[in-house]
Amino acid sequence: EVKLLESGGGLVQPGGSMRLSCAASGFTFTDFYMNWIRQPAGKAPEWLGFIRNKANGYTTEYNPSVKGRFTISRDNTQNMLYLQMNTLRAEDTATYYCARGVGYNYYFDYWGQGVMVTVSS
Amino acid sequence: EIVLTQSPNTMAASPGEKVTITCRASSSVSYMYWYQQMSDASPKLWIYDTSKLASGVPDRFSGSGSGTSYSLTINTMEAEDAATYYCQQCCSTPFTFGSGTKLEIK
Repeated sequence: EVKLLESGGGLVQPGGSMRLSCAASGFTFTDFYMNWIRQPAGKAPEWLGFIRNKANGYTTEYNPSVKGRFTISRDNTQNMLYLQMNTLRAEDTATYYCARGVGYNYYFDYWGQGVMVTVSS
Repeated sequence: EIVLTQSPNTMAASPGEKVTITCRASSSVSYMYWYQQMSDASPKLWIYDTSKLASGVPDRFSGSGSGTSYSLTINTMEAEDAATYYCQQCCSTPFTFGSGTKLEIK
């Protein structure tokens, strides 16, 4: 059974940093692209970026809305995905999900339960 | 960036009623994807490759479309179908989602 479990959310001050983690299990982690997606309360999801699989060299791609502030990484020995978020703003307040990406025509077949990040003083 | 416009934003349907949700893309895409999100839960893949039902999705659901116009249809509405549905485009980064359609039961 595929499982994705995020952790590390909470309250952070504007301008601060936070690192989210996602523990993956139930599949061969290195075979898949992995994504971070966020969703402000009552709004649509927003794709933040992905990190490619082993076959594609674990390279990353980001949404321009967060490029330069957010960094996605993975530890393939521990089946962990990370999101490092810097210079946080109030508008970064959202539920953050990790999701597995699949397909040449790309979509997200499994999502974690999400973790809440609140940016406020 | 490809913008997806969903309609309607909200709707209510009676049990047994036929429901159609549309998603229009600002540029042509090869396929469309749909997710169902229940209150306080994460989105679930619902329809992939425009018309294929994800595992466990009842066959009263269907998807169709091409180019810039896609739709999700529920043949006969049931209470358990009340949720928010989002479309997602596959085909150019940044991958984008529609604004969602909140479907309620009458």
